[in-house]
Amino acid sequence: AQKITQTQPGMFVQEKEAVTLDCTYDTSDQSYGLFWYKQPSSGEMIFLIYQGSYDEQNATEGRYSLNFQKARKSANLVISASQLGDSAMYFCAMREPYSGGGADGLTFGKGTHLIIQP
Amino acid sequence: ETGVTQTPRHLVMGMTNKKSLKCEQHLGHNAMYWYKQSAKKPLELMFVYSLEERVENNSVPSRFSPECPNSSHLFLHLHTLQPEDSALYLCASSQVPGTPNEKLFFGSGTQLSVL
Repeated sequence: AQKITQTQPGMFVQEKEAVTLDCTYDTSDQSYGLFWYKQPSSGEMIFLIYQGSYDEQNATEGRYSLNFQKARKSANLVISASQLGDSAMYFCAMREPYSGGGADGLTFGKGTHLIIQP
Repeated sequence: ETGVTQTPRHLVMGMTNKKSLKCEQHLGHNAMYWYKQSAKKPLELMFVYSLEERVENNSVPSRFSPECPNSSHLFLHLHTLQPEDSALYLCASSQVPGTPNEKLFFGSGTQLSVL
């Protein structure tokens, strides 16, 4: 089973509108972290926002906010007042506690291709 | 220069060639990673080095061989690759490996084409 599910392969949004990118996750751990990354055509993965499983408030970073619904295992990214430069791939990722003898990185979803139209 | 730097940006190689990808981080981090990004697939973790020791392999074929000579440098040595190995290879680093709030910083990747 997929640990991170992003159900929107692509989205077209009008400039200046708000956009919500969906992400659901699957874990049996109580302590975990959720991340969103942006990947423009240049290839670099850019960190946007982080939400800890024990954080009671939704994370916000400028125009980005994370709508965290723990019971539904949902961590949607909201971008307010979208801009043309927001056009990119967006990836949701999760970090679970390591169960072995070392580090094991983030697990990523397949991504959503967001296109902002003027 | 700051962040994570990867070279080369693009690489075309034949199946019998030997080449290496290089990654350098200027962030003072303790862990470095290689990820593979293929079209229409999630990023796949290939290798993890924490404090210069490899801690995960994730069953990567032996034609990929990582090397971490120090905490700032990471290499991926390639030999006898297959066309299906064509992908974007991303390097990342993190400060505190193994914690739930471990934030990864990525380079721009090497776009590899195997002919």
